[in-house]
Amino acid sequence: DQQVKQNSPSLSVQEGRISILNCDYTNSMFDYFLWYKKYPAEGPTFLISISSIKDKNEDGRFTVFLNKSAKHLSLHIVPSQPGDSAVYFCAAIQGAQKLVFGQGTRLTINP
Amino acid sequence: DTGVSQNPRHKITKRGQNVTFRCDPISEHNRLYWYRQTLGQGPEFLTYFQNEAQLEKSRLLSDRFSAERPKGSFSTLEIQRTEQGDSAMYLCASSSVSGMNTEAFFGQGTRLTVV
Repeated sequence: DQQVKQNSPSLSVQEGRISILNCDYTNSMFDYFLWYKKYPAEGPTFLISISSIKDKNEDGRFTVFLNKSAKHLSLHIVPSQPGDSAVYFCAAIQGAQKLVFGQGTRLTINP
Repeated sequence: DTGVSQNPRHKITKRGQNVTFRCDPISEHNRLYWYRQTLGQGPEFLTYFQNEAQLEKSRLLSDRFSAERPKGSFSTLEIQRTEQGDSAMYLCASSSVSGMNTEAFFGQGTRLTVV
């Protein structure tokens, strides 16, 4: 049972434009959400998080939006840079327990 | 370096052999997680500890897998009688939990190849 889903396996964006990565979840008890970035042969690196009591969190070029009624969150990266090319994972937590990850979206930033 | 450290980075073993991986978490973190990742998939939860107590084990964790965290510091993950299906990246993460959700920080992983 895939509780966290990233339905787009890949995304290609031109440098300088906005990248939007999407994530859907099914468990309404999730109360904390995170985005991780992963390069090949490395562990995931934490990017940004959001609590379920908020609908937006911003950190520099990265903004995460949460729509609880739709059970949907998204990560916006603007402007996109070549170094942003990586696999992005959405993760969710219920009650300070384990993280549940989506399948990942491979983002490619084209010059 | 004060991040999460995993050893070895790579391990090639013959089917049927036992392997053990080590994870050293960030020193002030009381929670430690093990995940497994295969190509094209997100990290899959295996087990986690709060201090030395193992709080949850995934159904994915067969009897051949065992994890320990003596004294609530480093952790080891042992796989007995390895199978080719065990080939994957094994990831360790740690976090500091004080009644609130918080970020988990990952090590660079151990890549296991069973031949």
